[in-house]
Amino acid sequence: NAGVTQTPKFQVLKTGQSMTLQCAQDMNHEYMSWYRQDPGMGLRLIHYSVGAGITDQGEVPNGYNVSRSTTEDFPLRLLSAAPSQTSVYFCASSDRVVGDTQYFGPGTRLTVL
Amino acid sequence: AQSVTQLDSQVPVFEEAPVELRCNYSSSVSVYLFWYVQYPNQGLQLLLKYLSGSTLVKGINGFEAEFNKSQTSFHLRKPSVHISDTAEYFCAVSLQNTGGFKTIFGAGTRLFVKA
Repeated sequence: NAGVTQTPKFQVLKTGQSMTLQCAQDMNHEYMSWYRQDPGMGLRLIHYSVGAGITDQGEVPNGYNVSRSTTEDFPLRLLSAAPSQTSVYFCASSDRVVGDTQYFGPGTRLTVL
Repeated sequence: AQSVTQLDSQVPVFEEAPVELRCNYSSSVSVYLFWYVQYPNQGLQLLLKYLSGSTLVKGINGFEAEFNKSQTSFHLRKPSVHISDTAEYFCAVSLQNTGGFKTIFGAGTRLFVKA
């Protein structure tokens, strides 16, 4: 049982490049989410999904896209990277949407030059 | 609007001393409350949570928290800290309102335990 896995661990992009951060979970959780963590700001929700085929925006969705074609996978796409997207990105999953423990991946540290 | 405020950004404390990390929240709907811990270069993991029932909640590693509805607080305490407790601690609320589902995190409190 690997829990929540994220790849890559580190990534450096140039402004304007696109890329996909991968997230997978093997706990059969319905709810998955993406956060970014910036110093002094805690975690801010980017997008979330309450099940396969269903996604919605969080607090800071601009510049990011998501899709949920399977229960296990929830990739995050950066369409045209900007320096403001330099951050640490965490994927999380939980069994229920509200009131349940979230299980976090190890994070992806992204630098946009 | 809902918000979570962690009143201290950094808390230095000596080993074996007690510690309290403070968390206040604002919400017009019922919330569920969580404390997560993040060790260096790792993801977050659950320390404890309050869903309902007893307002004193015990978690892992000797931590506990008390839900105070009138003061909208959920402070985290440990009677005697260890060097290994050095980490960042996040308070979070989970709720559902007309805007959808949300989990809101505080900015974090960095606990530094000194020998």
